[in-house]
Amino acid sequence: DAGVTQSPTHLIKTRGQHVTLRCSPISGHKSVSWYQQVLGQGPQFIFQYYEKEERGRGNFPDRFSARQFPNYSSELNVNALLLGDSALYLCASTWTGDTSNQPQHFGDGTRLSIL
Amino acid sequence: GQQVMQIPQYQHVQEGEDFTTYCNSSTTLSNIQWYKQRPGGHPVFLIQLVKSGEVKKQKRLTFQFGEAKKNSSLHITATQTTDVGTYFCAGTEGYGNKLVFGAGTILRVKS
Repeated sequence: DAGVTQSPTHLIKTRGQHVTLRCSPISGHKSVSWYQQVLGQGPQFIFQYYEKEERGRGNFPDRFSARQFPNYSSELNVNALLLGDSALYLCASTWTGDTSNQPQHFGDGTRLSIL
Repeated sequence: GQQVMQIPQYQHVQEGEDFTTYCNSSTTLSNIQWYKQRPGGHPVFLIQLVKSGEVKKQKRLTFQFGEAKKNSSLHITATQTTDVGTYFCAGTEGYGNKLVFGAGTILRVKS
């Protein structure tokens, strides 16, 4: 079975642009979480979606938004990109919405560079 | 808000030596998870601890959850080059709450 898949793998944008990152969870998993990992730091929680509804939101500005589709795939959108948005964006999936009590299965991430 | 701190930031050991990383939370945790991230890779789940004072072993790896459920440790016996990577702890305060990751401990092993 395929693991969590993310696209694209790498992306280069300039300040002020917007970006859409995509994630497909493991088959059967209904919850998707998004994390931002800056170099040298641990993943920082951005959003969690379960059954197409937002279940949690981290301390990120409104420029960050996400959604989940009926097939449980998800998109993360970031508007008005800043240099500080340069990071590895990780998607993780779980069976249910209780991400605190089950392993997070991570994808390989999207490496976003802002020039 | 909840904070999770890890020490040390970095450790370079000779192959065969032991390694320990420590995780401390500013608040009482409902559970703690440990992940390993190889260079250029993504975090991979290792284990979850739930009970106060819990100890779990996976071959050369020993994981411990503190009695107060505010700290945890990962100990690797006789490190191998395959142990290289960054080890993260991640904790939650309650049901369904977000995972808060520590900054990780980078392990390098000299052969």
